[in-house]
Amino acid sequence: KNQVEQSPQSLIILEGKNCTLQCNYTVSPFSNLRWYKQDTGRGPVSLTIMTFSENTKSNGRYTATLDADTKQSSLHITASQLSDSASYICVVSAGTGANNLFFGTGTRLTVIP
Amino acid sequence: DGGITQSPKYLFRKEGQNVTLSCEQNLNHDAMYWYRQDPGQGLRLIYYSQIVNDFQKGDIAEGYSVSREKKESFPLTVTSAQKNPTAFYLCASSTGGLAGGPSLETQYFGPGTRLLVL
Repeated sequence: KNQVEQSPQSLIILEGKNCTLQCNYTVSPFSNLRWYKQDTGRGPVSLTIMTFSENTKSNGRYTATLDADTKQSSLHITASQLSDSASYICVVSAGTGANNLFFGTGTRLTVIP
Repeated sequence: DGGITQSPKYLFRKEGQNVTLSCEQNLNHDAMYWYRQDPGQGLRLIYYSQIVNDFQKGDIAEGYSVSREKKESFPLTVTSAQKNPTAFYLCASSTGGLAGGPSLETQYFGPGTRLLVL
């Protein structure tokens, strides 16, 4: 069964600290993996996309890693800011077609001053 | 949110009532999608459209209907047959026209509509 699991469910960190969010998947075949940021009450916004051959991709203070062998990805946030408070969603594609996108349940990050 | 708008922000439905959620995009995208988001669950695909006048069912299409008469618009109707409609509804679009579809394209999401049942 194609599944995407994210951990932790929620996380609270102090402003300025780093954190790492995890995404494990059992999706097959694998096409690509995306990380989205979703502010409360808003739609998700794409942060990164990685294909099978890529193992690291950065977008400002956000760095995503991918280990296609172990089917794991992580999103590392450096020097967190209050505006990083959001849900972070991992999405894995199993190939072509809208029905082949599998969404994780997200990690809810809260950054406190 | 890019160039995608959804309205209304909040919508209340009475028992037995059909309600329509609006989604408009000015990104000149061919493909559009409707997702449902419930607490503790990942987004689930309701319907999608790769081109005008054509659409396909997603994983949870029962109790919903759509139309795609214009490239810019993809309204979703929640019918009385949908017994548990309370959720956050997200519309998205992507460029379309590629063999890979949304797998290879970035989806741009609207701000969402929260539907509540009275």
